Amino acid sequence: DTAVSQTPKYLVTQMGNDKSIKCEQNLGHDTMYWYKQDSKKFLKIMFSYNNKELIINETVPNRFSPKSPDKAHLNLHINSLELGDSAVYFCASSHGSTNQPQHFGDGTRLSIL
Amino acid sequence: GNSVTQMEGPVTLSEEAFLTINCTYTATGYPSLFWYVQYPGEGLQLLLKATKADDKGSNKGFEATYRKETTSFHLEKGSVQVSDSAVYFCALSDQGTGGFKTIFGAGTRLFVKA
Repeated sequence: DTAVSQTPKYLVTQMGNDKSIKCEQNLGHDTMYWYKQDSKKFLKIMFSYNNKELIINETVPNRFSPKSPDKAHLNLHINSLELGDSAVYFCASSHGSTNQPQHFGDGTRLSIL
Repeated sequence: GNSVTQMEGPVTLSEEAFLTINCTYTATGYPSLFWYVQYPGEGLQLLLKATKADDKGSNKGFEATYRKETTSFHLEKGSVQVSDSAVYFCALSDQGTGGFKTIFGAGTRLFVKA
């Protein structure tokens, strides 16, 4: 009965590689998000999709490319990984047209060697 | 633009102590306000919320009151437990272009000692 699930939970890879993180929600929400959390726990919004359309695209390198095949899925692909990409990435979802709270996945810890 | 400012941590308390974590906000509209909690190794989860001025949100012994006059939403608990050790995020949600947008504070880490 997991609400927001993201895979993998841990990702260890080398600089220069390309990797993807997947996210799925079964809450019937129409809006999904990707956040990056640094080592000091600061949470930064990266992208937001509403009904498969991109609505928030903060200042993020274009090596990061989100893809939403349907309302329940939002994946994140990262090209040419750099040391500074090491962080925990969180997927979240909500009803975008209301001020209801967001529901978060458990995060993907990305470590770049 | 909208913003959320919360007190810097870490906050270290002994069990059964009183907790206050300050949060103030700036907003152009009439936002909803939230407190989220993040336990180690987990994602954020909603702790409590308030949708209009003078509303009080409460959950698990935590409380926060939406104060429009002071633009604040301080989190309080009368007697903390070791299990309350976590990072606490204040957030606001306000309507903008394309729907509601949530802005999070920087988080405040709480350590509770036995």
